[in-house]
Amino acid sequence: DIQMTQSPSTLSASVGDRVTVTCRASQSIRSWLAWYQQKPGKAPKVLIYDASRLGSGVPLRFSGSGSGTEFTLTISSLQPDDFATYYCQQYNTFPYTFGQGTKVEIK
Amino acid sequence: QVQLVESGGGVVQPGRSLRLSCAASGFIFSNFAFHWVRQAPGKGLEWVAVISHDGSNRKYADSLKGRFTISRDNSKNTLFLQMNSLRAEDTAVYYCAREPYCGDECFPYFDSWGQGTLVTVSS
Repeated sequence: DIQMTQSPSTLSASVGDRVTVTCRASQSIRSWLAWYQQKPGKAPKVLIYDASRLGSGVPLRFSGSGSGTEFTLTISSLQPDDFATYYCQQYNTFPYTFGQGTKVEIK
Repeated sequence: QVQLVESGGGVVQPGRSLRLSCAASGFIFSNFAFHWVRQAPGKGLEWVAVISHDGSNRKYADSLKGRFTISRDNSKNTLFLQMNSLRAEDTAVYYCAREPYCGDECFPYFDSWGQGTLVTVSS
């Protein structure tokens, strides 16, 4: 199975900060990566797919980059609504696998 | 609008079976592939299974070891997950999730999710 490793596991930041989350794959997944945001008690919501394409209705402050084994999710200016847990997911190879999650907390 | 509503969760004893359903509306159900994804309490997301738009192809997480079966009824716009020989480690919220429409380009991520149904395996 392809292992997805996110860093950091927890991130403390303030409103207006630029935030970056990293996701590493144990082998190349080309650009077959998505990022999801999940709030407590809610289903995940896609932010980014194909490593860098913005999901429908997703604010422009979210962006994704990378290919192969290393990927990043960037929030250009953190907003109050962005405090949540973020997951990367590869869909290059079955079984699809997720990173362990990165919790973005209020500093 | 797209709506996915899971049902069928509850408390079940180890070794017993449970069948989850996901009722879809707001789009042409038979055009889309679907997945089940689960999340144990306080844990991350785990992919469970996928079924193609017409039900002809299915894949499963290796960890399930043949205990779970994904199926669909396109005439009733409903996705199913039959779970047998349940174990304590199957305790989780189970989400159904839709892949985007596969046209000129196919990106099999999850563009819509249900609200989830909680399965608790306990004696």
